[in-house]
Amino acid sequence: DAKTTQPNSMESNEEEPVHLPCNHSTISGTDYIHWYRQLPSQGPEYVIHGLTSNVNNRMASLAIAEDRKSSTLILHRATLRDAAVYYCILRDSEGGTSYGKLTFGQGTILTVHP
Amino acid sequence: DSGVTQTPKHLITATGQRVTLRCSPRSGDLSVYWYQQSLDQGLQFLIQYYNGEERAKGNILERFSAQQFPDLHSELNLSSLELGDSALYFCASSVATATEAFFGQGTRLTVV
Repeated sequence: DAKTTQPNSMESNEEEPVHLPCNHSTISGTDYIHWYRQLPSQGPEYVIHGLTSNVNNRMASLAIAEDRKSSTLILHRATLRDAAVYYCILRDSEGGTSYGKLTFGQGTILTVHP
Repeated sequence: DSGVTQTPKHLITATGQRVTLRCSPRSGDLSVYWYQQSLDQGLQFLIQYYNGEERAKGNILERFSAQQFPDLHSELNLSSLELGDSALYFCASSVATATEAFFGQGTRLTVV
């Protein structure tokens, strides 16, 4: 499985933007970049995913580098409810030996200060 | 609400026992994934089924087994339980391999 590298932790203030980086230098052409987050005592929650172009949804934006070797999850205005562990994951769209499984790393612990 | 239902929410059992965890995927989702999350290990992929067939296996112990039934619900069977099997077990489902996956709220298993 292609691996991702994320900072262990980041901090932000409420109502400020947050940029969560992810490096994935061994990404293949068929890998989608997925982001999930996990709040305490809850199951992981889908945030956003993309292939090559930047993506926006109601939760966040995903900025993907032109060479696809890195990406950034952008929370435009952090709230206290955004405090969670954020996971950047590569997901093979063609199945192959991984059949689309999500391999979680350690993720980034985001702390949001009031 | 993700649409993925896991039962039971909590389970306490003794060492050596066998338990069955159940997962109902979102309507229309053919893929089901099982994950284990313990305090010191993070989220570990166990096994994946697609439309009733096993498709991928992760770090699943031989004491553990799973299946996906014709109605697409899945069960994870854990036997000869040990204290170290205490963890949160999550099920996820997705329509296809490239689309988003939706996770249930998990089953918290405590082995005493």
